[in-house]
Amino acid sequence: GEDVEQSLFLSVREGDSSVINCTYTDSSSTYLYWYKQEPGAGLQLLTYIFSNMDMKQDQRLTVLLNKKDKHLSLRIADTQTGDSAIYFCAETSTGGFKTIFGAGTRLFVKA
Amino acid sequence: NAGVTQTPKFRVLKTGQSMTLLCAQDMNHEYMYWYRQDPGMGLRLIHYSVGEGTTAKGEVPDGYNVSRLKKQNFLLGLESAAPSQTSVYFCASTPRGKSYEQYFGPGTRLTVT
Repeated sequence: GEDVEQSLFLSVREGDSSVINCTYTDSSSTYLYWYKQEPGAGLQLLTYIFSNMDMKQDQRLTVLLNKKDKHLSLRIADTQTGDSAIYFCAETSTGGFKTIFGAGTRLFVKA
Repeated sequence: NAGVTQTPKFRVLKTGQSMTLLCAQDMNHEYMYWYRQDPGMGLRLIHYSVGEGTTAKGEVPDGYNVSRLKKQNFLLGLESAAPSQTSVYFCASTPRGKSYEQYFGPGTRLTVT
């Protein structure tokens, strides 16, 4: 079945860039997403990218999609302590109602 | 506009007890979902609904039932709770044809002893 994988932890210093990586298996993925979850809260959609795009930039966030390798990344520029959270990669396939989530990457930002 | 709300926020059940989790959305979304989140795992889909009066099974439906009698509400029921159902439950909704606009509720933390 479909699967989404991502590394579990990432630690960066404040002001550095963070890059969170994700791989997925479903070649019919239509939308790919990055969600942020802060402690005790629900998931907040950060950004999404359509499968026919290679890159999307939104302020400090840059999403890169490599469809050939089924690889998605999220770059956070000038990482702040407020960016400390769990980041989930997710995908929805064409015509599908289901969104498949990765296990989440916990980002630690050191001051 | 409250978005997606869930009640209760916390609950402790004994094995074998039953309960219903309520999800409500005020955005007139057609699609609604129930997920569970366990440590070290992503969200897993329990059941979903594509409209009032319709429901469908997701990835992990066993032990749960759902109902969507009104468009704005999606109920998740546990008939006989088991410790394996200890989890954080999230409800979400999306408008028709826009799965990239998925809004999540704040979650319900359920402990079954």
